[in-house]
Amino acid sequence: AQSVTQLDSHVSVSEGTPVLLRCNYSSSYSPSLFWYVQHPNKGLQLLLKYTSAATLVKGINGFEAEFKKSETSFHLTKPSAHMSDAAEYFCVVPGGATNKLIFGTGTLLAVQP
Amino acid sequence: DTEVTQTPKHLVMGMTNKKSLKCEQHMGHRAMYWYKQKAKKPPELMFVYSYEKLSINESVPSRFSPECPNSSLLNLHLHALQPEDSALYLCASSSVSTGPNYGYTFGSGTRLTVV
Repeated sequence: AQSVTQLDSHVSVSEGTPVLLRCNYSSSYSPSLFWYVQHPNKGLQLLLKYTSAATLVKGINGFEAEFKKSETSFHLTKPSAHMSDAAEYFCVVPGGATNKLIFGTGTLLAVQP
Repeated sequence: DTEVTQTPKHLVMGMTNKKSLKCEQHMGHRAMYWYKQKAKKPPELMFVYSYEKLSINESVPSRFSPECPNSSLLNLHLHALQPEDSALYLCASSSVSTGPNYGYTFGSGTRLTVV
């Protein structure tokens, strides 16, 4: 069965410093993987997706993620954090035969001025 | 149009009320979903509609009644809710052929408070 594990429930960075949000996946095959962002009291917005093409995926707002099969990881990075990046981030994998998405537990990113 | 629109954005209802949440998309997606999200938790799947037919019900109590009247609309009818049903209710859509493998498009949600 597919699953994802987000290794940090909270991450705090200073504005202008790099962001790293960690996600490991478990799957019997190379899955699709996604990162979604949720700002306070808002819906979820797709940041980026990996669908078995390039292993380095670029998303919106300067975020990118690298699919590493050997490490079963799909970590989200950004070179320089902005205050507007403060939000909850979810690593997500499709649930196989069902039309379901499997969500990680989320990482709350705080950006300090 | 690449959006999923949910109305209302906020809803306060009493435990004896009947209300409905509405979701609309015009992306030609034939799979639509209802999710429930409690504070500081990931979304939890409630229902999946595929080609306007209910395909997944995640053992949701009958006080939640989904309806998909056409390929663009999804409703969630609420009756006799409990305070613990207070949450953010999210609607999403996707292509059936690619399914979730290319991601869903989510609406901005309805914040429901049951008093």
